[in-house]
Amino acid sequence: SSELTQDPAVSVALGQTVRITCQGNSLRSYYASWYQQKPGQAPLLVIYDKDNRPSGIPDRFSASSSGNTASLTITGAQAEDEADYYCNSRDSSGSHGVFGGGTKLTVL
Amino acid sequence: EVQLVESGGGLIQPGGSQRLSCAASGLTVSSNYMSWVRQAPGKGLEWVSVIYTGDTKYYADSVRGRFTISRDNSKNTVYLQMNSLRAEDTAVYYCARDRAPPTSWYFDIWGRGTLVTVSS
Repeated sequence: SSELTQDPAVSVALGQTVRITCQGNSLRSYYASWYQQKPGQAPLLVIYDKDNRPSGIPDRFSASSSGNTASLTITGAQAEDEADYYCNSRDSSGSHGVFGGGTKLTVL
Repeated sequence: EVQLVESGGGLIQPGGSQRLSCAASGLTVSSNYMSWVRQAPGKGLEWVSVIYTGDTKYYADSVRGRFTISRDNSKNTVYLQMNSLRAEDTAVYYCARDRAPPTSWYFDIWGRGTLVTVSS
């Protein structure tokens, strides 16, 4: 079982704001990173190292954290944001990577 | 352009072995942390293994003792040797550049993946 827990599915109306959460004890010590994955494609890094966006990622993607919970927020969700989203960080030992189980985002 | 290209996937019988390759261009594997991440059909992502620049290696509990990560600097290629394969190893295997600063862990460059199917 994953050390990071995500809700399996979330939906949002077009243009509205949605928050996807990730819980785990290791998040008390380490930042989460976030990936978007569309069907048949490799994951795409959208947030890294607390709240940094790689080049080309729209600024409607942002992140925050509190205690053992990290959050990815999409402000003004677009149809093209419909995808699976995964969080990732170090595990409790600090020496292994770990992913959350993923959240399927539906844009209505 | 930075690119990672995986190869070596296919249909393997349970108990068999297979070696995956990840050829890099635009980056030097010996100067980067490199990981393998897998995704079983219809399932989530699972980190498998990492090789650091100093040759330190780590493995997920699910593959430790069966899988070995390595690299060939002259070919700028990372490998994953998989032995004693099981049905549950069936997955798309991605190669990724691994950024592991002290405060987090993330993968900023991914290959397109190679499918490994373990079945009789």
